[in-house]
Amino acid sequence: GIQVEQSPPDLILQEGANSTLRCNFSDSVNNLQWFHQNPWGQLINLFYIPSGTKQNGRLSATTVATERYSLLYISSSQTTDSGVYFCAVPAKGNTPLVFGKGTRLSVIA
Amino acid sequence: DVKVTQSSRYLVKRTGEKVFLECVQDMDHENMFWYRQDPGLGLRLIYFSYDVKMKEKGDIPEGYSVSREKKERFSLILESASTNQTSMYLCASSWQGNTIYFGEGSWLTVV
Repeated sequence: GIQVEQSPPDLILQEGANSTLRCNFSDSVNNLQWFHQNPWGQLINLFYIPSGTKQNGRLSATTVATERYSLLYISSSQTTDSGVYFCAVPAKGNTPLVFGKGTRLSVIA
Repeated sequence: DVKVTQSSRYLVKRTGEKVFLECVQDMDHENMFWYRQDPGLGLRLIYFSYDVKMKEKGDIPEGYSVSREKKERFSLILESASTNQTSMYLCASSWQGNTIYFGEGSWLTVV
């Protein structure tokens, strides 16, 4: 099945710093989603981005479908950005999402 | 806003008990999913459903069953709970091929 790899696995930032998280996937996809899991376990959908670039406040995401990767940018990080960031793609077509192992981000004041 | 509600946030059950985890969504979504999340293993799909009374096995269905009698409700059942089912369980819903929304999660401990 499709493989989803995220890097780095862990990241520690000073408040105000910028960061880039990467998601590689092993096959072509028509759907890619980024999520943030807060320290209480809630998973929030950040972006639905099968291709192109989207921005939402301090966060933006770019997916280059032809090269099978996606990037999540966090600018001017805040302590509330801490948590685990997941990307997910369908195993095939419109099948359920397969998740990467995540990037654990810690933002320190 | 989309709301996915899981009935119990924290549960402690004894080995051998039958456990029901309930999930309700309020957006008329066709698709519903149950995942479990464990440290180092990420999210793994247990069961999913694309329609009422329809269910499909995910990657780790053993020891679980599901029920979808109404479109908005998807229940996960542990027929005889075991300690290796101690985990966080996440319910989610979506329209076909679109953004997926998660509930807050249910932390289950089996003793």
